[in-house]
Amino acid sequence: SQQGEEDPQALSIQEGENATMNCSYKTSINNLQWYRQNSGRGLVHLILIRSNEREKHSGRLRVTLDTSKKSSSLLITASRAADTASYFCATDSNSGYALNFGKGTSLLVTP
Amino acid sequence: DTEVTQTPKHLVMGMTNKKSLKCEQHMGHRAMYWYKQKAKKPPELMFVYSYEKLSINESVPSRFSPECPNSSLLNLHLHALQPEDSALYLCASSQAQGETQYFGPGTRLLVL
Repeated sequence: SQQGEEDPQALSIQEGENATMNCSYKTSINNLQWYRQNSGRGLVHLILIRSNEREKHSGRLRVTLDTSKKSSSLLITASRAADTASYFCATDSNSGYALNFGKGTSLLVTP
Repeated sequence: DTEVTQTPKHLVMGMTNKKSLKCEQHMGHRAMYWYKQKAKKPPELMFVYSYEKLSINESVPSRFSPECPNSSLLNLHLHALQPEDSALYLCASSQAQGETQYFGPGTRLLVL
């Protein structure tokens, strides 16, 4: 079942700009993950943030989590053309195993 | 090694064919997953294996039959598929419940 909802659905920026994607979810979670998917390929794990964490960094990526608002954001700084991909947030389900993916944000970074 | 491998990369099959998708990981993960992804949609969970036992079946039609021969391998047997089953089939694994899932590159399936 789908729980996360990303916005915007599509984002187009120029190289060097920052890209911000948001994710909202409905039920309580243990953790939230962000994945990247290049066209027609497998998903690449970016960051996992636990429910007791508020912010996490990894290179040019910054993820925030606000459990009171049931939302998360992914910030990509100084974007590159290679960042062009679809980005999904995913929350854990009641079973604890399955991931509930949002609809995704399609990011286009133009040189 | 954080790699999950899947074979084949591409598969074309008729509605009367029987084929199998294969997935392998050598990270010692005890949970393995099959997801189905249609174009421009998020992945949808099909099956979860935990410690080589089927723990979740998301009401998947019986024409899809999963198998976990050992802790490193996961198969998905296909029989009498329909054209609407054409999709990208993704395998993933995780160390444990609630941990990061690592995905394979997927098998792109076309059913004619």
